[in-house]
Amino acid sequence: ETGVTQSPTHLIKTRGQQVTLRCSSQSGHNTVSWYQQALGQGPQFIFQYYREEENGRGNFPPRFSGLQFPNYSSELNVNALELDDSALYLCASSLGSRVMNTEAFFGQGTRLTVV
Amino acid sequence: AQSVTQPDIHITVSEGASLELRCNYSYGATPYLFWYVQSPGQGLQLLLKYFSGDTLVQGIKGFEAEFKRSQSSFNLRKPSVHWSDAAEYFCALPDQTGANNLFFGTGTRLTVIP
Repeated sequence: ETGVTQSPTHLIKTRGQQVTLRCSSQSGHNTVSWYQQALGQGPQFIFQYYREEENGRGNFPPRFSGLQFPNYSSELNVNALELDDSALYLCASSLGSRVMNTEAFFGQGTRLTVV
Repeated sequence: AQSVTQPDIHITVSEGASLELRCNYSYGATPYLFWYVQSPGQGLQLLLKYFSGDTLVQGIKGFEAEFKRSQSSFNLRKPSVHWSDAAEYFCALPDQTGANNLFFGTGTRLTVIP
């Protein structure tokens, strides 16, 4: 039990729709990172939020966007869904933004299926 | 650019047998290295990490890993596998472009047979 919770656990959307995924970070953590894990692949970094500001972004298009709230919970929004967006979306919370200096604790993920 | 290679997509071992999962990396400097485990339907859990110093690193659940600079490897080992070790295992290192995120390998799926 990491203290990082994600909702919903499963979601089915239609191509072209928009989706919002949520992450509640571990108490005291000020950083949330989002990863996409396609079937049979390792997680790929989408972006990171540190103290409510975007603090690094991976190779994902602008239709992937996010927010971090004052309580450090976070949302991942995906617009204009494509079939290839089907994946497990993981969030990780940490105290501090640099992976060498802090441990990231992962939630159980949200399984998104786009049909 | 960095890379992480896990050559074995799937490994099957008998319960009680020893285990070694391979990880090879490419990185511009001495890397920080991590091993994570993902049990079915779960998120990732950190098993162990190497930052510097002793090249043999002990982790949770009886796992250990050895950093070998000459071979660019960071293999994960366990002397006696339990059925509960069946999971997906990922090797990772910091992304050289920013070091704010992890760069993961494609994973090795471990099956444990009685």
